[in-house]
Amino acid sequence: QVQLVESGGGVVQPGRSLRLSCAASGFSFSSYDMHWVRQAPGKGLQWVAVISYDGNNIYYTDSVKGRFTISRDNAKNTLYLQMNSLRAEDTAVYYCARDGRVTVTTFFDYWGQGTLVTVSS
Amino acid sequence: EIVLTQSPATLSLSPGESATLSCGASQSVSSSYLAWYQQKPGLAPRLLIYDAYTRATGIPDRFSGSGSGTDFTLTISRLEPEDFVVYYCQQYGSSPLTFGGGTKVEIK
Repeated sequence: QVQLVESGGGVVQPGRSLRLSCAASGFSFSSYDMHWVRQAPGKGLQWVAVISYDGNNIYYTDSVKGRFTISRDNAKNTLYLQMNSLRAEDTAVYYCARDGRVTVTTFFDYWGQGTLVTVSS
Repeated sequence: EIVLTQSPATLSLSPGESATLSCGASQSVSSSYLAWYQQKPGLAPRLLIYDAYTRATGIPDRFSGSGSGTDFTLTISRLEPEDFVVYYCQQYGSSPLTFGGGTKVEIK
């Protein structure tokens, strides 16, 4: 069965960095676009970034451009999110999610359990 | 960016009743590329509907989606106790991908 397991969250001071990981199993990881989606405490969902199945196409929401970097290692079936220059407004649960269609950016058919990132001094 | 507005913010109903949740888009969503998710407290969202009306794997037929253009609807018939949670719509017709603000279905 499809499994996505995030790790790497925690408490970090403003301006510092954090790297999240998402270990995938139960499907052909290298065939799917992968996303990060976040949810601030008590708030709605916000799409953060997407990386194509082969890593060649990457897109970000405007608020994280230049600060966050999405990447993947298909040999390790792992998705990453490098977060630099963190701000209080980046505080959220970060989910990795699989795209619902092969090689196209669409909806999210499988989600991890999420990892909480708290940016606070 | 397409802004999705969900209404109502909260829907108060009784078990066994039907729920109608709306999702309005600020501009037309191409090819009816709209999905619905259910989120229970403390858990990740779960995909219910994609392409406006196609149920995801394992989703009971009590859940149905409809609509096109700028107006979409999620209907939940015969509400079960586990259905009283939060629902989000999401469009993937244009970049960036965006979500609605959510509708909470609560027990009346």
